Amino acid sequence: LAKTTQPISMDSYEGQEVNITCSHNNIATNDYITWYQQFPSQGPRFIIQGYKTKVTNEVASLFIPADRKSSTLSLPRVSLSDTAVYYCLVGRGGSQGNLIFGKGTKLSVKP
Amino acid sequence: DSGVTQTPKHLITATGQRVTLRCSPRSGDLSVYWYQQSLDQGLQFLIQYYNGEERAKGNILERFSAQQFPDLHSELNLSSLELGDSALYFCASSHEQYGYTFGSGTRLTVV
Repeated sequence: LAKTTQPISMDSYEGQEVNITCSHNNIATNDYITWYQQFPSQGPRFIIQGYKTKVTNEVASLFIPADRKSSTLSLPRVSLSDTAVYYCLVGRGGSQGNLIFGKGTKLSVKP
Repeated sequence: DSGVTQTPKHLITATGQRVTLRCSPRSGDLSVYWYQQSLDQGLQFLIQYYNGEERAKGNILERFSAQQFPDLHSELNLSSLELGDSALYFCASSHEQYGYTFGSGTRLTVV
C-alpha cells in the first residue's frame, strides 16, 4: 500500500475554500485515492474517491494531476462544522483489503 | 446511522480483566475490520474477517483476538487488559460495490 504524506494541521476561517494536499509518490497503477473525515469520538466517514483528473460531489472536490503522485481535497466555503481530521488513503478501489490510515490533517475552522 | 452497529458504546474495566466488543456489519457486507484509536493517535488496523475467515492481520496484540460468526457479526476479545489498551475501538464493514462504512465505536477505559 502506498504511503501518504499530508500536513499535520491547517487553520481556516468560515466561508473560505480549504485545500488539503496529500503526497503519494509510490501510488500503484491500480490504486485509488480516497479521503475520509473524522469528527472527535466518531468513526471515519467517506468523503470522496478518485482515480485521475477531477471528481466532484456535493461535499468536496478531488483534484488529481496526471502523474497521480499527489492529490488535493478541496472543501468549498467551510463552516465550523467542517472542523475535523481528514485522512488521505491510497489503495485498491472498492472494498478490497484493509484501509491503512496515516496521521491525517487536523482542520480547524474559526469564526 | 451508518448501518454498522457497535456495542457497548462505553466500557470501563479494571486492569487484568477481559472484555468483548461486538460489531454488526451493514446488511450485505461480508468483510469486517477492527481498528484501534488511542488518544491523539491515528487509526491502527487490527484485523479483518471476510465471511467468517480471517483475511488480514495488522498490529493486533496476542492478548487480543477476534472472530466473525455465521450471521456475520464480529466480536473483538481483549484480555489481560492494561492501562495502555484504553482507546476507541472501531469496527468497519465493506461491500464490493459500496465501499467501507465505520461504526460509531466503543470507548474502552481501563482503570
